[in-house]
Amino acid sequence: GDSVTQMEGPVTLSEEAFLTINCTYTATGYPSLFWYVQYPGEGLQLLLKATKADDKGSNKGFEATYRKETTSFHLEKGSVQVSDSAVFFCALSDLGGSYIPTFGRGTSLIVHP
Amino acid sequence: EAQVTQNPRYLITVTGKKLTVTCSQNMNHEYMSWYRQDPGLGLRQIYYSMNVEVTDKGDVPEGYKVSRKEKRNFPLILESPSPNQTSLYFCASSPASGDYNEQFFGPGTRLTVL
Repeated sequence: GDSVTQMEGPVTLSEEAFLTINCTYTATGYPSLFWYVQYPGEGLQLLLKATKADDKGSNKGFEATYRKETTSFHLEKGSVQVSDSAVFFCALSDLGGSYIPTFGRGTSLIVHP
Repeated sequence: EAQVTQNPRYLITVTGKKLTVTCSQNMNHEYMSWYRQDPGLGLRQIYYSMNVEVTDKGDVPEGYKVSRKEKRNFPLILESPSPNQTSLYFCASSPASGDYNEQFFGPGTRLTVL
């Protein structure tokens, strides 16, 4: 079945540091890929998405590129802020398969001033 | 405003006392689901529904029931809650067609079972 593996956290960074959160996936079909963000005390919300190979999703300074050859969708940001502290979830949805979305376990990011 | 609402947001109850957590969406989405979030375990799907009167088990359905009598509502029912159901619960919805299915999440319900 489909699965998503993301790096375990917490990831602790100083403000203005570079962020990478790794995400790899397995899927039988042609999935769309997503990053969701959960700020403290809130529900998840879509951060960015990519629907096909080599697509780059971007939002709020975060970026991720759909790499079919490495089955990866790593999240990056060049300069994090304290307000970026949150839990990030990588997810996929295989519209050619079961359709049911599959989520990774989440990676907590803590940014210190 | 397009949204998913859940009620209550916080609930403390005792073992065995039946409870219902409501979920409603105003986006005419076909697909709705329930998740629980626990430390170190991420999001685990409890039940999902592809449309009215169509529901199916997710990864952790034991101890839960759902119903989908109307498109907009998808209540989660705990007939006899136990302490291991203490968790943070999220309802989500999405369209069941299109190029991708972005999930829209509710704000969460924090449940404590004593």
